[in-house]
Amino acid sequence: AQTVTQSQPEMSVQEAETVTLSCTYDTSESDYYLFWYKQPPSRQMILVIRQEAYKQQNATENRFSVNFQKAAKSFSLKISDSQLGDAAMYFCAYLWETSGSRLTFGEGTQLTVNP
Amino acid sequence: EAEVAQSPRYKITEKSQAVAFWCDPISGHATLYWYRQILGQGPELLVQFQDESVVDDSQLPKDRFSAERLKGVDSTLKIQPAELGDSAMYLCASSLPGVVDTQYFGPGTRLTVL
Repeated sequence: AQTVTQSQPEMSVQEAETVTLSCTYDTSESDYYLFWYKQPPSRQMILVIRQEAYKQQNATENRFSVNFQKAAKSFSLKISDSQLGDAAMYFCAYLWETSGSRLTFGEGTQLTVNP
Repeated sequence: EAEVAQSPRYKITEKSQAVAFWCDPISGHATLYWYRQILGQGPELLVQFQDESVVDDSQLPKDRFSAERLKGVDSTLKIQPAELGDSAMYLCASSLPGVVDTQYFGPGTRLTVL
């Protein structure tokens, strides 16, 4: 079974600094997708960034980028120039296309941004 | 910007009572998902619809949970009877029909069972 592990229950960063959130996953598949979702307090979960496993190039969305290491089954999220609005719970998620659209989520990392 | 709507936002009930949650997906999204998120954990898929058909309910406790999407638009998730362990956030999400299309989440319904 596919599993996703986020080993950092909590992280904190100073405003304008850079922080990296870790995620590892376990799968025997070669074609899959990885996602980072952000869940602000009392607000809906939104997609931050996605990565297709067949792409070697790391995905980037403005201040958000990933470090995808397929062989190591590692998928970390880097947030540059952190802003107060980045404070949220961040979830790493995995999707194996052949299994349909089922997202498997990690347990989340609570990010605090200090002014 | 179109959003997934859910109601109620909060629900408190006593065990053995019946509860129902409603979800209205983004217009045009054929795929609808119900997830359960226990406090401190990531969401777990309960059921997935493609239009009005269930395509995945392998994690749905069918002895007490039911879900329907009669006209392929909005959906209702029901629990009867509710148990203490059902206290959680129930999230609805929707997407276009492609398997890897982005899932858009609603604000959720926070259920507390006393």
